[in-house]
Amino acid sequence: QVQLVESGGGVVQPGRSLTLSCAVSGFTFSSYGMHWVRQAPGKGLEWVAVIWYDGSNKYYGDSVKGRFTISRDNSKNTVYLQMNSLRAEDTAVYYCAREKEWLVNWFDPWGQGTRVTVSS
Amino acid sequence: EIVLTQSPATLSLSPGERATLSCRASQSVGSNLAWYQQKPGQAPRLLIYDASNRATGIPARFSGSGSGTGFTLTISSLEPEDFAVYYCQQRSSWPLTFGGGTKVEIK
Repeated sequence: QVQLVESGGGVVQPGRSLTLSCAVSGFTFSSYGMHWVRQAPGKGLEWVAVIWYDGSNKYYGDSVKGRFTISRDNSKNTVYLQMNSLRAEDTAVYYCAREKEWLVNWFDPWGQGTRVTVSS
Repeated sequence: EIVLTQSPATLSLSPGERATLSCRASQSVGSNLAWYQQKPGQAPRLLIYDASNRATGIPARFSGSGSGTGFTLTISSLEPEDFAVYYCQQRSSWPLTFGGGTKVEIK
């Protein structure tokens, strides 16, 4: 069955960097775009970034543009989110999600999430 | 950026009752709207896409309607497992955006 498993979360100081990973299985990874979505404690959902199935296009939310970088390794069935210059407001559960169909940006399915806490 | 406004913020209902949730877009998104359900401690789950299409495995009591700037998610008869938070999301333009959510709670 389709599985998405995030890892790499933890506690990090403001201004530092962290890289999240999302390993997938159960589908042809190289055929699907992948997203990161986050949720701050007690808050709603915020879309973070997307990378096209072949890595040719990437888009970012305004709050992370210039600080976060999404990438993928289709040989490892893994998508990454490199987060630089972290701020307290980046504290959230980070979910990876697959696009529902090729170039159709509905999120289905989702991983279980990995928690990132930015604190000194 | 397209802003999605969900109402009400909280809906207090009893099992068996009908739930009607609203999502309003700051500009037209056509039919490019989806609904997600999130239960405590869980990842969201896609319920409805393209405004009115149920995702795989979603019960028929969930239905979506609307186009342009006004959308509705209806749960025809609430089951105990339906008490959760519901979010709408648009894919009409970048950045992708979510509404603030509606919590459906047990009255």
